[in-house]
Order: sequence, then structure tokens, then C-alpha cells
Amino acid sequence: QKEVEQNSGPLSVPEGAIASLNCTYSDRGSQSFFWYRQYSGKSPELIMFIYSNGDKEDGRFTAQLNKASQYVSLLIRDSQPSDSATYLCAVGTGTASKLTFGTGTRLQVTL
Amino acid sequence: DTGVSQNPRHKITKRGQNVTFRCDPISEHNRLYWYRQTLGQGPEFLTYFQNEAQLEKSRLLSDRFSAERPKGSFSTLEIQRTEQGDSAMYLCASRPGGHEAFFGQGTRLTVV
Repeated sequence: QKEVEQNSGPLSVPEGAIASLNCTYSDRGSQSFFWYRQYSGKSPELIMFIYSNGDKEDGRFTAQLNKASQYVSLLIRDSQPSDSATYLCAVGTGTASKLTFGTGTRLQVTL
Repeated sequence: DTGVSQNPRHKITKRGQNVTFRCDPISEHNRLYWYRQTLGQGPEFLTYFQNEAQLEKSRLLSDRFSAERPKGSFSTLEIQRTEQGDSAMYLCASRPGGHEAFFGQGTRLTVV
């Protein structure tokens, strides 16, 4: 079992719709959770982080964390073509630990 | 520019040659990470430093790879006797304490 799992996609959503990206992790000791966006050929760019169970909203983005189910998700409201990218889920087990990444989900927002 | 800086951005080398990459982290960030990413995969952890101390190395890291962070500032990653399988994007990230990590632009290595 991979430490951090994501559906590779592509996930295709129409412009203006809600995109839902999911991630599961295997280490119950994980404490910090991050979503990064990566455009083709570019480096990952931090979108959101979440440390506590529940929802965290930032503009069009909402991160959701359920530690009991070892599940973290990212919702993108009012999806735009510029949101088309690969979204990487990353998990940290402690304040100083490395981040373990999933393989990423490719999102395509269609006109 | 106050972000994480990596040099060079691109490197093409012949198999068997040694290469060295440099990473300049955000100045107040005491943690520095090296990752490698191949096409279609997420970043794979290589090693990390807290200040000048190298605290963790991936089990997957061959002894051809070595990293340093003298004086806890910039870091270098050296690959000796490069192989075609070393072709990848090498990413550096820095992090203030336990908070979010910020990536540099990466160094794309092609071994021919």
C-alpha cells in the first residue's frame, strides 16, 4: 500500500463546476496535510494546508480532513481553465519531518 | 526575489559524469529538503537538513548521491557517475519549522 494515494485522473470538470480531489494516507501518526498545484514542467506551488479535522476555506478552495478515515480532500469551487493542473497531496508526520507526496491528480477544466 | 532559488535550471550531462546542483532557501527557513520527481510521479524524498545537520536520508538514495548544507545556508546536491535513470527534476524546498514547505523552480537533469 502506498503511503499517500491519489487517483491519477484525469478528472474533467466543466468551467464553473466544483472539482473534488481526494487523497488517502496510511500513517495514522500524520499531523499535517498539504495541497500543492503543479503546472506541467513547473515546480509544485502550495495551495492550502490543514492540520485539524474539519474544513478550511481559502477563497475558492476548501480543504477537508478526516483523520479517523485517513482522508483529505480539496474542493475547488467555480473551476476555471487556469485551474487545469496536477494537484499533489502531501502528508507530514511531525513538525520536522519530510513531506510524503501522492502521485497527483490531473485536473482538466473544460470550456 | 525572496523565494527558494535553484541553479542551474537545466543540466545535460553525459553518463558517468558528476553533477552538482545548488539550492538557496528562503533566508529564515531552517529546514531544507531535496526531492526528485520523474514524469507522472509525485516528488520523491531524498534528504533533509535542519540548519547544517543532515537529519534524514531516503533508503532509496544511492551512495552516488551526496548532499551538504555548510553553515546552514545554501545546500548542494552532488550526483557522481550519473546514470540515465538519474534523469529527473530535482526539487529543493525550504520550511520554517513545522509549517508549509516552499519549492524552488527545480533543476531538470538529463543524462545522455
